[in-house]
Amino acid sequence: QLQLRESGPGLVRPSETLTLTCSVSGVSVNTRTFYWGWIYQPPGKGLEWIGSVSSRGRTFYSSSPSLRGRVTISLDTSKSQSSLNLGSVTAADTAVYYCARHVRTGLMIQGDYFDSWGQGTLVTVSS
Amino acid sequence: SYVLTQPPSVSAAPGQTAAITCGGSKIGTVAAHWYQQKSGQAPILVVYDDTKRPSGIPERFSASNSGNTATLIISRVEAGDEADYYCQVWDSNTDHVVFGGGTKLTVL
Repeated sequence: QLQLRESGPGLVRPSETLTLTCSVSGVSVNTRTFYWGWIYQPPGKGLEWIGSVSSRGRTFYSSSPSLRGRVTISLDTSKSQSSLNLGSVTAADTAVYYCARHVRTGLMIQGDYFDSWGQGTLVTVSS
Repeated sequence: SYVLTQPPSVSAAPGQTAAITCGGSKIGTVAAHWYQQKSGQAPILVVYDDTKRPSGIPERFSASNSGNTATLIISRVEAGDEADYYCQVWDSNTDHVVFGGGTKLTVL
């Protein structure tokens, strides 16, 4: 059974880089149909997609002004782990961060949804 | 960028039907997906590819997608359905995942 688990620091100082890891178990991450995505949710707000990575290292990133240019997502297939790096963090990056399996078909009429999610990890940016 | 618009809140009495809309330009031409997020929990997928239900999701959850509106229908609403619901699509023009702003379902 697929399980995803986020891990990382609960507290990050402003201007530093946030690094989170998503450990995947129960399935192989080396599958073309699946990407591995990151979504965040500021307190009291909605879901916002950060980006997704394929088993071949292809990445899609949000172009949201709040994230643009600060995000790197990678996948280590040998460890079954996805990593999120978010640079130059500010208080606005305080959020619950989720990793999720991104089902991708490349077809407009099907696919590109998140069928399994981790429990999320709260990251607070504060000095 | 592509925008999905949801009403902030919807309410329904137990046993009644709740409809949550998701508006977007020509959304009927792409696959729409829906997530349920209960308080303090991670989201779960309740509908994918417009109308399909993942294993374990009750038949009370159904959806449609046509024109400029996708709709999630929850029949015979139960207290346990109280949650935030999000629609989501893939914008192929920008290769971006887009979420709606979310709708809070209150069971009266």
